[in-house]
Amino acid sequence: NAGVMQNPRHLVRRRGQEARLRCSPMKGHSHVYWYRQLPEEGLKFMVYLQKENIIDESGMPKERFSAEFPKEGPSILRIQQVVRGDSAAYFCASSPDTTRQGGNTIYFGEGSWLTVV
Amino acid sequence: GENVEQHPSTLSVQEGDSAVIKCTYSDSASNYFPWYKQELGKGPQLIIDIRSNVGEKKDQRIAVTLNKTAKHFSLHITETQPEDSAVYFCAASKKGTGFQKLVFGTGTRLLVSP
Repeated sequence: NAGVMQNPRHLVRRRGQEARLRCSPMKGHSHVYWYRQLPEEGLKFMVYLQKENIIDESGMPKERFSAEFPKEGPSILRIQQVVRGDSAAYFCASSPDTTRQGGNTIYFGEGSWLTVV
Repeated sequence: GENVEQHPSTLSVQEGDSAVIKCTYSDSASNYFPWYKQELGKGPQLIIDIRSNVGEKKDQRIAVTLNKTAKHFSLHITETQPEDSAVYFCAASKKGTGFQKLVFGTGTRLLVSP
């Protein structure tokens, strides 16, 4: 039973390039979350998605950041025109249908470490 | 919105001692409180969680207590071992219309010395 799978694990981008981070939720999970962790800080919520829908993106920067969770395939977090301040660990998490028992339980992937040079 | 405070930021104990990490939350509607352990270079791993209809939960050497009136919850680790060394995060959320947005504390770096 594979966990939340993220790739790439490490990504280096030059300023101005685009970064694409991918996340496959745990089997049977229909809810995906993205969190960002700056060095020596806690995790900050970015966006919550269900299949083909963005439910809450209140933690996403208004510009350059976007997320999707298509009907087929992984969830994608896209950062356009990266800047040095985007350097962070980006964690994807997933949870099962929240109307069922255990719906609150959120499981995290191993993260994607983005370094902007 | 919800705000979670966590103390202490660092905690050093000797192997075999107990460790206690405390968190407070601000939103009385929060009803779910997980604890995560994060090792260097890895993702947060859920170690225990508690829901608001329960005051205490235990799993082997780990226990969590919740005081809804005071809006605080604590993680207790007994008989600590060097492999317990990691950063621990508390979090809070409330179950609304299917949305579970975790608000995290700032983390506690636990160091267990042999």
